[in-house]
Amino acid sequence: DIQMSQSPSSLSASVGDRVTITCRASQTISNYLNWYQQKPGRAPKLLIYAASSLHSGVPSRFSGSGSGTDFTLTISSLQPEDFATYFCQLSYRSPYTFGQGTRLEIK
Amino acid sequence: QVQLEQSGAEVKKPGSSVKVSCKTSGGTFNTYGISWVRQAPGQGPEWMGGIIPFFGTTHYAQKFQGRVTITTDESTSTAYMELRSLRSEDTAVYYCARDGAGSYQPPQYYFDYWGQGTLVTVSS
Repeated sequence: DIQMSQSPSSLSASVGDRVTITCRASQTISNYLNWYQQKPGRAPKLLIYAASSLHSGVPSRFSGSGSGTDFTLTISSLQPEDFATYFCQLSYRSPYTFGQGTRLEIK
Repeated sequence: QVQLEQSGAEVKKPGSSVKVSCKTSGGTFNTYGISWVRQAPGQGPEWMGGIIPFFGTTHYAQKFQGRVTITTDESTSTAYMELRSLRSEDTAVYYCARDGAGSYQPPQYYFDYWGQGTLVTVSS
């Protein structure tokens, strides 16, 4: 199985900060990488699919980049509602593994 | 507005089975893939398997092969996930999720709409 390594596992930041989260695959997955946001007690919400495509309705401060094995999710200017946990997920082949998550907390 | 409404929480004994339902509305049910994803406490989500109604096919993660069955009932726009031989490690929130590929498209295994989740607790 392809392994997903997400970093950091937690991050403290302030409103207005620029934040980057990384995800690394154990082998090349082209651009088959997606990002989700999850708040406590809620289902994950799709932010980015195919590494860099913004899902409908997601604010433009979210962006994704990368190809092959290394990917990033960037939030250009943190808003209060962005404090949550973020997961990457590969969709290259089964099993469609999720990362272990990055918890983004208010500094 | 697409909505996926799941059945309520379950408490099960080890060795038993659970069947969770996922009723969809606001879209054309049979034209999208549906997957099931679970999340144990404090862990990342885990894809279990999916069904592609218009192809009539299912696809399970190797880890769950032989223990999980995913079905659909087109007449009620409902998908089901049954997990057998439950053990304590199966305690988790189980989600259904719609594939984001689009109507009648081969699944891409990213998920644009999710159910609210069903907590399954396995305890003696």
